[in-house]
Amino acid sequence: SQQGEEDPQALSIQEGENATMNCSYKTSINNLQWYRQNSGRGLVHLILIRSNEREKHSGRLRVTLDTSKKSSSLLITASRAADTASYFCATVPTLSGSARQLTFGSGTQLTVLP
Amino acid sequence: DVKVTQSSRYLVKRTGEKVFLECVQDMDHENMFWYRQDPGLGLRLIYFSYDVKMKEKGDIPEGYSVSREKKERFSLILESASTNQTSMYLCASSLAGEVPEQYFGPGTRLTVT
Repeated sequence: SQQGEEDPQALSIQEGENATMNCSYKTSINNLQWYRQNSGRGLVHLILIRSNEREKHSGRLRVTLDTSKKSSSLLITASRAADTASYFCATVPTLSGSARQLTFGSGTQLTVLP
Repeated sequence: DVKVTQSSRYLVKRTGEKVFLECVQDMDHENMFWYRQDPGLGLRLIYFSYDVKMKEKGDIPEGYSVSREKKERFSLILESASTNQTSMYLCASSLAGEVPEQYFGPGTRLTVT
């Protein structure tokens, strides 16, 4: 079953602008991860934030986590055409039968126009 | 760098055929996963394995089976392919532990006609 839901489903911005994507989930989590998928390819792990963390940075990426609202956001600053991809959040529920499983949302398609 | 490879990028099979999708990882990861990805549905877990010869059902195991005879190799088997199994299939692997960052292969786009 889907745990995370991304919003918006699609986002189109100009190069140099910032892009913000949101993820909401339903149950308590151990951690939340963001992945990128270029068209027709596999997913690439971007960043992981644990349930006891509120914000994390990696290069031009900034992730926030609000466990009280069961939501996370991914901010990409100074976007580039190469950032065009689908972005997925994935959660590890604390009550999952196996801590090894990730549950993915349906993704946000980001298009960065040159 | 972790490398996860899948046997085919594109595959076309006929209804009723037995289909094998193979996945190999080179980083000695304990966990391996098979997902299918369909538009609007995100990734759905079919099966995963946390050790050789061990397997667990994911969210949508019906119509699929898996085999893990060696640590580096995880095979997905469609016993009798059907058109509703047309999809993108993604394999992933991860280390054991509580924080399973996953590494993905490039995917196999399977079309069943």
